[in-house]
Amino acid sequence: QITLKESGPTLVKPTQTLTLTCTVSGFSLSSSGVGVGWIRQPPGKALEWLALIYWDDDKRYSPSLKSRLSITKDTSENQVVLTMTNMDPVDTATYYCAYRGVKAYPYWGQGTLVTVSS
Amino acid sequence: DIQMTQSPSTLSASVGDRVTITCRANYSLNSYLAWYQQKPGKAPKLLIYKASKLESGVPSRFSGSGSGTEFTLTISSLHPDDSATYHCHQYSSYSTFGQGTKVEIK
Repeated sequence: QITLKESGPTLVKPTQTLTLTCTVSGFSLSSSGVGVGWIRQPPGKALEWLALIYWDDDKRYSPSLKSRLSITKDTSENQVVLTMTNMDPVDTATYYCAYRGVKAYPYWGQGTLVTVSS
Repeated sequence: DIQMTQSPSTLSASVGDRVTITCRANYSLNSYLAWYQQKPGKAPKLLIYKASKLESGVPSRFSGSGSGTEFTLTISSLHPDDSATYHCHQYSSYSTFGQGTKVEIK
C-alpha cells in the first residue's frame, strides 16, 4: 500500500524559507521509474505543479518558480524534501506531495496548508 | 511552457445527464493527459491517465478521449457522488494543470 504524508510548518513569515518533508511508504525512492512530485493549491484556486525528483536523482522544476525551489531525497529515510525561498503571502496554499509513475500521479498525500503571514 | 485551457469553469447538470469537460493544450501532448476528481478538503483522485485509460476502481461511467491538443472527459450518466471539481493535467513536458471545472448537481 503506497502512502505519502506531508509535514512542515503551518505558518511562515514573508521572506522566510519554507521546508516541507514528504515521508513515503509502500515503495522505494530508488525503484526504477519512480518519482515524487510537489503540487500546491491556493485556497479556492487551481492546482500548480512545483517540482519532481526521480529515482535516479533527476530533478525538474516549474520554470516560473525554478529560482526559488530545491528538491532533494533521502532514500534511506524514505523522504523527499522541498524548499522554497523568499516566501510571500501569495504562496499561501495547500501543498501536496504525490507519487509519480507511468500513470501520472496516482497517489497523493493528504496535503498540508501553509499560511504566509507576518 | 505548455498551457492548458479547461472549459467550462463550472457546470450544473441533473442526475443521469451526460457531462463533457474539455481541455486544450498549446502543444501536442502525445496523449500524456490525465484527469482527476477533487472533493472539498481532499487530495485529487486519479480517474484517467494516458488520455483514455481508466484507473483501477474508477466507475466505467467516466471516460477520456482525445489526442494531440484536445481532450475530453465524459461522465456518461451523472451520479450525485460526482459533484466535485475536475482537473486535467498534462505530463508530456514537465507538468501543467488546467484551471478546473466545478460540477454541480441541479
